[in-house]
Amino acid sequence: EAQVTQNPRYLITVTGKKLTVTCSQNMNHEYMSWYRQDPGLGLRQIYYSMNVEVTDKGDVPEGYKVSRKEKRNFPLILESPSPNQTSLYFCASSLVQGGEKLFFGSGTQLSVL
Amino acid sequence: ILNVEQSPQSLHVQEGDSTNFTCSFPSSNFYALHWYRWETAKSPEALFVMTLNGDEKKKGRISATLNTKEGYSYLYIKGSKPEDSATYLCSKENSGYALNFGKGTSLLVTP
Repeated sequence: EAQVTQNPRYLITVTGKKLTVTCSQNMNHEYMSWYRQDPGLGLRQIYYSMNVEVTDKGDVPEGYKVSRKEKRNFPLILESPSPNQTSLYFCASSLVQGGEKLFFGSGTQLSVL
Repeated sequence: ILNVEQSPQSLHVQEGDSTNFTCSFPSSNFYALHWYRWETAKSPEALFVMTLNGDEKKKGRISATLNTKEGYSYLYIKGSKPEDSATYLCSKENSGYALNFGKGTSLLVTP
């Protein structure tokens, strides 16, 4: 089944403890991206990647890192999480960059205490 | 317009009503306009992606139009059904392939 898989679905952590949210797609998509969803603010893009080893900042990249070493994987890394990073996170992918629909993962609800 | 804006913020209609939403966006640096449907506790699902001025797309009872020169898109739902209840998101994709989403229009259709 074609899908974007995010893990974990739920995560509670404490300030400063490094964490990684994984994202994997099995559709051979070139474009992958991360978003956060906060009440009243809509989806905001954190980082995106147009292909292996090619990443770029979205609207809210501060406090996050990404890597794209393989085409299928695009992990989101929080080196030192803070409470203001408590949010619902989505990973998404599309066949290529530019004018293609996004396929979203199931989301990760992160709480940083 | 500096950001992607959607109106109305929420909408409550009766089953059978037809309705429409607006997405306004900066017309500069435009590549594509996306529409997504987002049901509670699920992930957003793509409805349409449009790239050309004057584009019109249709999927069943839902259709969308695009005006890139003036920076707006309309989403229409004909004969609303309760299962159409969801949040409808639009997103402008710029020529650098970054996406900016609006805050969405929340639609509730009651029987």
